[in-house]
Amino acid sequence: GDSVTQTEGPVTLSEGTSLTVNCSYETKQYPTLFWYVQYPGEGPQLLFKVPKANEKGSNRGFEATYNKEATSFHLQKASVQESDSAVYYCALGIYGSSGNKLIFGIGTLLSVKP
Amino acid sequence: GPKVLQIPSHQIIDMGQMVTLNCDPVSNHLYFYWYKQILGQQMEFLVNFYNGKVMEKSKLFKDQFSVERPDGSYFTLKIQPTALEDSAVYFCASSPTGGDAEQFFGPGTRLTVL
Repeated sequence: GDSVTQTEGPVTLSEGTSLTVNCSYETKQYPTLFWYVQYPGEGPQLLFKVPKANEKGSNRGFEATYNKEATSFHLQKASVQESDSAVYYCALGIYGSSGNKLIFGIGTLLSVKP
Repeated sequence: GPKVLQIPSHQIIDMGQMVTLNCDPVSNHLYFYWYKQILGQQMEFLVNFYNGKVMEKSKLFKDQFSVERPDGSYFTLKIQPTALEDSAVYFCASSPTGGDAEQFFGPGTRLTVL
């Protein structure tokens, strides 16, 4: 079936260091790939999405490339800030005649220390 | 940005009772979703809803679950009767269109079944 596996947290970094959160997926379909971010007390919100293989998405310094061959969508940021502390979810978007749904990874809690 | 509201934020009930979780989606959105997240586990798709109908439901969407959105008011998830394994955070989401449109999430309702 459809599934997403991502780096299990928590991940603790110092401000200014680089971040990589690994994400791999399994599906027989043609998904759009998403990264969502969740701050305390809020629901997940879209960081960015990539609908096509071999394309890159980015927002707020975060980026990820849709690698269809490796079935991966790793999240990277060159220099994290304290305000990036949150839970990050990789998700697979599955669409068909019966509508659409998101398949989420477990989420990775990132804590950035000043 | 657009906000999805969920009422209540917390609900504690006894096993066997009925509970209704309420979601106030973004006003011009047409597609609605419920997801379930048990503590420490992945957020999982329950159901999507469009044009007054359930389009797809997962195996987690038991016979005791039902959804509706009467006359464009709240989008509700009803569980009757509840079971211990229904304890989780339930997230509502909405999107303006189908396909890979961004889903906007509410902050969740934490349901505890005793």
